[in-house]
Amino acid sequence: SQTIHQWPATLVQPVGSPLSLECTVEGTSNPNLYWYRQAAGRGLQLLFYSVGIGQISSEVPQNLSASRPQDRQFILSSKKLLLSDSGFYLCAWSGGLVSNQPQHFGDGTRLSIL
Amino acid sequence: QQQVKQSPQSLIVQKGGISIINCAYENTAFDYFPWYQQFPGKGPALLIAIRPDVSEKKEGRFTISFNKSAKQFSLHIMDSQPGDSATYFCAALTSGTYKYIFGTGTRLKVLA
Repeated sequence: SQTIHQWPATLVQPVGSPLSLECTVEGTSNPNLYWYRQAAGRGLQLLFYSVGIGQISSEVPQNLSASRPQDRQFILSSKKLLLSDSGFYLCAWSGGLVSNQPQHFGDGTRLSIL
Repeated sequence: QQQVKQSPQSLIVQKGGISIINCAYENTAFDYFPWYQQFPGKGPALLIAIRPDVSEKKEGRFTISFNKSAKQFSLHIMDSQPGDSATYFCAALTSGTYKYIFGTGTRLKVLA
């Protein structure tokens, strides 16, 4: 069966520090991968998605970036965090070669910027 | 046109009652409609999904009703339980695309 792992579960970072969040998927090949941000009590904001290694589409221009160095690895980064980057970051995957498949989410990273 | 409008924003239901959450869309190219359940501190989990070639799909106490002509779909939770208290998101997808369009979420509270 397929599983998705995100780490760390919680992170407290000072303003201006760098960020690296990692997500890996097991049990599937060539998945579509996604990064979302969720503000407290709010909906899901799509940040990036990737349909293959090295292929990244950005939805929201900001100081975050994403990379996909391996088929089942998706990384969210920042060189300098802002207070507004606080939130709940979710990674998700969906079947890459099959239409109309659901997304499956990880358990998220709670990021607090001080 | 890419939006999915979800209502209500919050809902309080007595134990044993029926919870109903509605979503509406404009883009007729959408052809896959999943619902997600999210507990605090966790990622959303797929609850049930429907394609527009059927008008209703039932899984246990959860039912999706789909009205293609009205471009609306709804989630019904029968015999609601306190353990159903969570945030529910509807979503929509067009075949061959990669972006899932999510509703804004409904916070459900089931009173014991």
